[in-house]
Amino acid sequence: GNSVTQMEGPVTLSEEAFLTINCTYTATGYPSLFWYVQYPGEGLQLLLKATKADDKGSNKGFEATYRKETTSFHLEKGSVQVSDSAVYFCALRWGRDDKIIFGKGTRLHILP
Amino acid sequence: NAGVTQTPKFQVLKTGQSMTLQCAQDMNHNSMYWYRQDPGMGLRLIYYSASEGTTDKGEVPNGYNVSRLNKREFSLRLESAAPSQTSVYFCASSNRDSPNQPQHFGDGTRLSIL
Repeated sequence: GNSVTQMEGPVTLSEEAFLTINCTYTATGYPSLFWYVQYPGEGLQLLLKATKADDKGSNKGFEATYRKETTSFHLEKGSVQVSDSAVYFCALRWGRDDKIIFGKGTRLHILP
Repeated sequence: NAGVTQTPKFQVLKTGQSMTLQCAQDMNHNSMYWYRQDPGMGLRLIYYSASEGTTDKGEVPNGYNVSRLNKREFSLRLESAAPSQTSVYFCASSNRDSPNQPQHFGDGTRLSIL
């Protein structure tokens, strides 16, 4: 079946460090891929998305590239800030089924 | 621009009590969802509704019932609360006719069962 696997956290970095959160997926066909972010006490918000192979989604300095050959959608940011501290979820949606499968989330702590 | 609104935000219940979590969206979305979020488990789908009058079970439906009252509202009911249902509950909605579009989430209901 379809699934999403992302790196376990927590991930702790210093401000201005480079961030990578790994995400790989298993799916039939060509799913759409998403990264969501959840700040403390809030619901999930869409961070970025990519809908076909080699697409790059980007937002707020974060980027992720849809790699079909490696079935991956890793999240990257060149210089993190304390305000990026949150939980990040990788997710996929496929075909006409509008249910989304989420990874288990990666908690990110950024130290000043 | 409210998006998805959930009530209440917090609730404490005793084992065996019942309650209904309310959710409403103002984006004219046809699909609505209820998830629970537990530490280390990510989000797990409880129930799903593709349109008014239809509901389907998700991954963890036991102990819950849902009602899709109209296009805007989708409620989740716990008939006899158990401590295992202590969790954070999220409602979400999406446009089923746009496969590339994301789900939109409410801010959650934090529920504790004593």
